[in-house]
Amino acid sequence: AQKITQTQPGMFVQEKEAVTLDCTYDTSDPSYGLFWYKQPSSGEMIFLIYQGSYDQQNATEGRYSLNFQKARKSANLVISASQLGDSAMYFCAMRGNYGGSQGNLIFGKGTKLSVKP
Amino acid sequence: GAVVSQHPSRVICKSGTSVKIECRSLDFQATTMFWYRQFPKQSLMLMATSNEGSKATYEQGVEKDKFLINHASLTLSTLTVTSAHPEDSSFYICSARDNRRSYEQYFGPGTRLTVT
Repeated sequence: AQKITQTQPGMFVQEKEAVTLDCTYDTSDPSYGLFWYKQPSSGEMIFLIYQGSYDQQNATEGRYSLNFQKARKSANLVISASQLGDSAMYFCAMRGNYGGSQGNLIFGKGTKLSVKP
Repeated sequence: GAVVSQHPSRVICKSGTSVKIECRSLDFQATTMFWYRQFPKQSLMLMATSNEGSKATYEQGVEKDKFLINHASLTLSTLTVTSAHPEDSSFYICSARDNRRSYEQYFGPGTRLTVT
C-alpha cells in the first residue's frame, strides 16, 4: 500500500529565510510521482512542484525545490526566501502508475507553515 | 494553466435534502476526475474516481448510493450528496486529470457544504 508521511504538523519560519518541509513515502510501485501542493485558508489546492521517480535531477520551480532522496524515500520541499504569502497548509502527495485507482493522489496529513514578519 | 471550476462554492442545505456539486474542466478534456473530501484541519481523502461514460469507482467505506457520481462528458463530473445529514458537512474538492498529460492533475476550488 502507498503511504505519505508528514511529521511536522506546524512550522514557523522568519520572512526571507529558507524552510524545509519534510515528506517521506512508501510504495512498492517502481514508477511513481511525487507532488507538493499549497492550500491557503481559501481552500484551493495550488500545485507547486512535481518529481518523477525516474527523474535524475531534483525538481525546481522558482523559489520551490524538491530534495528527492530515492534511497531514503524522502521528498522534502524547500522554500527559499520565505514570504508572508507562503503561510498556508502544505501537502505532500504521491501518485502511483499502477493499480485500480487510475492514478489518484494519496496525501499526507499536511504541514501548516507560518511565516513571521 | 489548466482550469477546473466547481459550482457551487458554498452551499447550506437542510438535513434530508440532496445537493449536487459540479466539477468542470474548462480548457482541457478529462476522462478521469477524482472527488475528495476534507474535514477541518485534516488531509484530503479520496472518495471516488469518476470515469467518463462508465460507473465511478468508490473507495472503501464510501457509500455509492449516498454519493452519486455522474461523468457524462469529458469536461463535467457531478457529485450528488443524497439525503444529506450534518455529518456530511465538509469541504468537497474535485480534480481532473488532463488527457494530454498523464501526470498532471488540476484541482477545483472546492465546495463547502454545510448541512443544518
